[in-house]
Amino acid sequence: DTAVSQTPKYLVTQMGNDKSIKCEQNLGHDTMYWYKQDSKKFLKIMFSYNNKELIINETVPNRFSPKSPDKAHLNLHINSLELGDSAVYFCASSPSWVSEEKLFFGSGTQLSVL
Amino acid sequence: QKEVEQNSGPLSVPEGAIASLNCTYSDRVSQSFFWYRQYSGKSPELIMSIYSNGDKEDGRFTAQLNKASQYVSLLIRDSQPSDSATYLCAVNVDFGNEKLTFGTGTRLTIIP
Repeated sequence: DTAVSQTPKYLVTQMGNDKSIKCEQNLGHDTMYWYKQDSKKFLKIMFSYNNKELIINETVPNRFSPKSPDKAHLNLHINSLELGDSAVYFCASSPSWVSEEKLFFGSGTQLSVL
Repeated sequence: QKEVEQNSGPLSVPEGAIASLNCTYSDRVSQSFFWYRQYSGKSPELIMSIYSNGDKEDGRFTAQLNKASQYVSLLIRDSQPSDSATYLCAVNVDFGNEKLTFGTGTRLTIIP
């Protein structure tokens, strides 16, 4: 059983399109995240949700809108895609939002904007 | 100044030798420190965590933390080709909130 699963694995699209990435975790964790990893491997947090509530929003453009229908799901919708959005997007979860907790990552979604 | 800095490498180490990976951080109130390993095309996975000054050993891996110098390192003994990966240092810079700040990673290659 995959602990943190995200779909799709690859996403190729044109500039200006709108796309969504889905994420689900079956670990019973309270906290879920979206991270962006650029071509230089720099991994940066975008959003964090604890039990469906937004707790971290790292000055991400408002074209990015996360949605958490329940604590096991955190989806990411991106409007008006730009070239600079090309990256690998990782979903992750952790048992809670306090420190000293291990992050479990999904396998990533490689987004290519043409 | 970047919050978490690592030498991007690549770092090449002969098989069987000790690989030494270094990381410095800027926020003095950082409390939790982690090393993640990321194979090419895969997701990061946690291999070590350390919270207090000194050394922490787990199998062939040793994490070292020096809060006064704001420095954390990872030593890999008896390096194996399977250790070839990018190693990401992560620091919790916002105590009480699981907001990890990652370094850009060091690419390690173990030469058979």
